[in-house]
Amino acid sequence: EAGVVQSPRYKIIEKKQPVAFWCNPISGHNTLYWYLQNLGQGPELLIRYENEEAVDDSQLPKDRFSAERLKGVDSTLKIQPAELGDSAVYLCASSPGAYNEQFFGPGTRLTVL
Amino acid sequence: DQQVKQNSPSLSVQEGRISILNCDYTNSMFDYFLWYKKYPAEGPTFLISISSIKDKNEDGRFTVFLNKSAKHLSLHIVPSQPGDSAVYFCAASTTLGSARQLTFGSGTQLTVLP
Repeated sequence: EAGVVQSPRYKIIEKKQPVAFWCNPISGHNTLYWYLQNLGQGPELLIRYENEEAVDDSQLPKDRFSAERLKGVDSTLKIQPAELGDSAVYLCASSPGAYNEQFFGPGTRLTVL
Repeated sequence: DQQVKQNSPSLSVQEGRISILNCDYTNSMFDYFLWYKKYPAEGPTFLISISSIKDKNEDGRFTVFLNKSAKHLSLHIVPSQPGDSAVYFCAASTTLGSARQLTFGSGTQLTVLP
């Protein structure tokens, strides 16, 4: 069974530029998560989806971050415009349901110059 | 305010010996605890968990101990193997409606020396 797929794996951009990350969860997983992991820290939840509905986005900085999961499968996380402090690893995870074990993708490492 | 703390950023252990990784938490509402293992350039993978109604859970070489009164849990790896070298994250969970919300510690880099 394929795991959680994320692309790109690495992204380098200049500040003020937009950037987007893509996630394809494990087939059949209804719950999808986006996490932010700063260097030397653990993952922090940005947003959780149940199917196509964002049910917990309280930690998402909505002035510059947006996310979508239009058909309840793939998801995209966007930052516009990016700031230097956004340099981090962005992890996507999925689970069969919100009460189940979460499976993580390899992450996208973003560097903002 | 960090609700889940892993105070040791790194730990080195000789192959074959015991590795003990520690984690402290402050929120008494946490009722489920997990350990994740992370290799470089990979996402965290689930290792072992424990419910707050238990004080020990064992899976092969991995055992997690929970001391609720001290708000402390630990992961024991016996015997340690070079392949265990990775970053270990402790995570604590509360139930939010019908969902579990995870709060992660900052991780401990374990190095098992051959």
